[in-house]
Amino acid sequence: EPEVTQTPSHQVTQMGQEVILRCVPISNHLYFYWYRQILGQKVEFLVSFYNNEISEKSEIFDDQFSVERPDGSNFTLKIRSTKLEDSAMYFCASKAIWSGLGGEQYFGPGTRLTVT
Amino acid sequence: KNEVEQSPQNLTAQEGEFITINCSYSVGISALHWLQQHPGGGIVSLFMLSSGKKKHGRLIATINIQEKHSSLHITASHPRDSAVYICAAQYGGATNKLIFGTGTLLAVQP
Repeated sequence: EPEVTQTPSHQVTQMGQEVILRCVPISNHLYFYWYRQILGQKVEFLVSFYNNEISEKSEIFDDQFSVERPDGSNFTLKIRSTKLEDSAMYFCASKAIWSGLGGEQYFGPGTRLTVT
Repeated sequence: KNEVEQSPQNLTAQEGEFITINCSYSVGISALHWLQQHPGGGIVSLFMLSSGKKKHGRLIATINIQEKHSSLHITASHPRDSAVYICAAQYGGATNKLIFGTGTLLAVQP
């Protein structure tokens, strides 16, 4: 069964460093999302991406964040200068179709980012 | 503001018990999702529904659009059902982003 994959599973970085989290969505999917979950808190929407551009972003997704689909298969989230409060689990999700119901989102296993 | 509320936050049950987790949302949605999160952190989608009821094995999800309320039921619960169950509201617009509830931590004891 097709699945969303994410690498790395765990990333440790120092404050101020840049990190790139990678996702490979399901191959025929068209809509891509990043969510994050700070330990002990609920999952929060960061950004959605369609047709090679951001379609919506949350207040969390400030200028330190960027997303890219560089090669038609990978979908990346970059944090330019990490802060301690960026430590969280980051989930990628993808979705196939657009409809009134929106289609089901398939989640990757997550990347745990630890900023020290 | 789009919000999703779940109850209870924590639930302990004995194996075999019937379990209900509730979810309410504040404004109109295009669909309601139920997801499962295991201790390792991964999220699995259980149901997406916009009306009525869906059943998959021992899991049943219902939604009442008028009351802005959904429930997830687990029949004949088993220790392997122990996980965090999350409801997420899907709103319309350009992206169909999900707004997540805080989750219900379920522990089923043998």
